[in-house]
Amino acid sequence: SQQGEEDPQALSIQEGENATMNCSYKTSINNLQWYRQNSGRGLVHLILIRSNEREKHSGRLRVTLDTSKKSSSLLITASRAADTASYFCAEDTSYGKLTFGQGTILTVHP
Amino acid sequence: KAGVTQTPRYLIKTRGQQVTLSCSPISGHRSVSWYQQTPGQGLQFLFEYFSETQRNKGNFPGRFSGRQFSNSRSEMNVSTLELGDSALYLCASRISSGANVLTFGAGSRLTVL
Repeated sequence: SQQGEEDPQALSIQEGENATMNCSYKTSINNLQWYRQNSGRGLVHLILIRSNEREKHSGRLRVTLDTSKKSSSLLITASRAADTASYFCAEDTSYGKLTFGQGTILTVHP
Repeated sequence: KAGVTQTPRYLIKTRGQQVTLSCSPISGHRSVSWYQQTPGQGLQFLFEYFSETQRNKGNFPGRFSGRQFSNSRSEMNVSTLELGDSALYLCASRISSGANVLTFGAGSRLTVL
């Protein structure tokens, strides 16, 4: 499989806590993206980090990228019940094609 | 601005039949790509179209095909359906220039009996 790996596969936390998800990828990337998917629905783009960037912030999201280790992490601060979803990292390498990781299922308990 | 629209949302077919799924991209988006999502294999890239031309193709058998029309709307077809084709099929569009940020539709859930 060309897909990278994400860990943990599942994460359960209380509202207000921070959630950290990790992603390892396999190829040389143009950029790395994170998407969220609510149960059985389409994916929603969260944030993109370019290969020459090391850290990026967007609201309660913080993404880091380590190209030497081919890894990225997504931190969601002060989690809310509405953050409950699956989170996927995606390698961007060529036209229209993203290679997605297996995803992390996040459950935030009220 | 309307999002990516996929039809039908749900469908049930039997083995050996064929199915056509439709995708209308966001107005102005010229690139459309398709993904298959299953519990076992996760999200797998099927193909990408731009200006009616297939630019990229994933590792799927020839039973999976697609096309794009001059108005950027796209269809994908799966012939001779197998049980393993049961999946959520997701369509995504993007403008075509710049970073490859995709806007996804809600998906078409196919069940093959």
